[in-house]
Amino acid sequence: SQTIHQWPATLVQPVGSPLSLECTVEGTSNPNLYWYRQAAGRGLQLLFYSVGIGQISSEVPQNLSASRPQDRQFILSSKKLLLSDSGFYLCAQGQGYYEQYFGPGTRLTVT
Amino acid sequence: AQKITQTQPGMFVQEKEAVTLDCTYDTSDPSYGLFWYKQPSSGEMIFLIYQGSYDQQNATEGRYSLNFQKARKSANLVISASQLGDSAMYFCAMRAWVYNQGGKLIFGQGTELSVKP
Repeated sequence: SQTIHQWPATLVQPVGSPLSLECTVEGTSNPNLYWYRQAAGRGLQLLFYSVGIGQISSEVPQNLSASRPQDRQFILSSKKLLLSDSGFYLCAQGQGYYEQYFGPGTRLTVT
Repeated sequence: AQKITQTQPGMFVQEKEAVTLDCTYDTSDPSYGLFWYKQPSSGEMIFLIYQGSYDQQNATEGRYSLNFQKARKSANLVISASQLGDSAMYFCAMRAWVYNQGGKLIFGQGTELSVKP
């Protein structure tokens, strides 16, 4: 069965600082990988998805970027955080047409 | 445009009773999938149940069943015999298949379910 790790679990960063969130997947090869963001009390918004190494598609224009340097590694980055970047960031993986499985999430607070 | 609507921000149910969480969707794609996820206060998203647009029968998984009415574009989640551990946020989601780009999940705003002892 697949396992998704996300690091760190919580993060408090000042406005204008850089960001790097990491997601790693075990137990599967060549997965589709996804980054979602959840604002407080809201549903999930898809930010990026990747169908393979180096292949990134962006859903929402913003100051965030994503990279996939290895098959099972997905990284979310920013050069300068905004207050509006605060939220709960979830990494997910899925293959084919069916369900996606989510990692434990990273709670980001930008101060 | 694809959209998921959950009109119940919060619901209460008595322990051991059944509860229905509403979900309507909008899509022009003939092929799609519908999902329900549970999000407890810890934040993790737990997959509950899946219904494909071509499935003839309603999906069931233990105490969870999906009442799929294709003509009405609704995919309500029914939880039978509610338990205190069912208290959580519940999200309905739709997956539209984009060829060679991976399926993307579109989420509703969620329904917060509280189970009373």
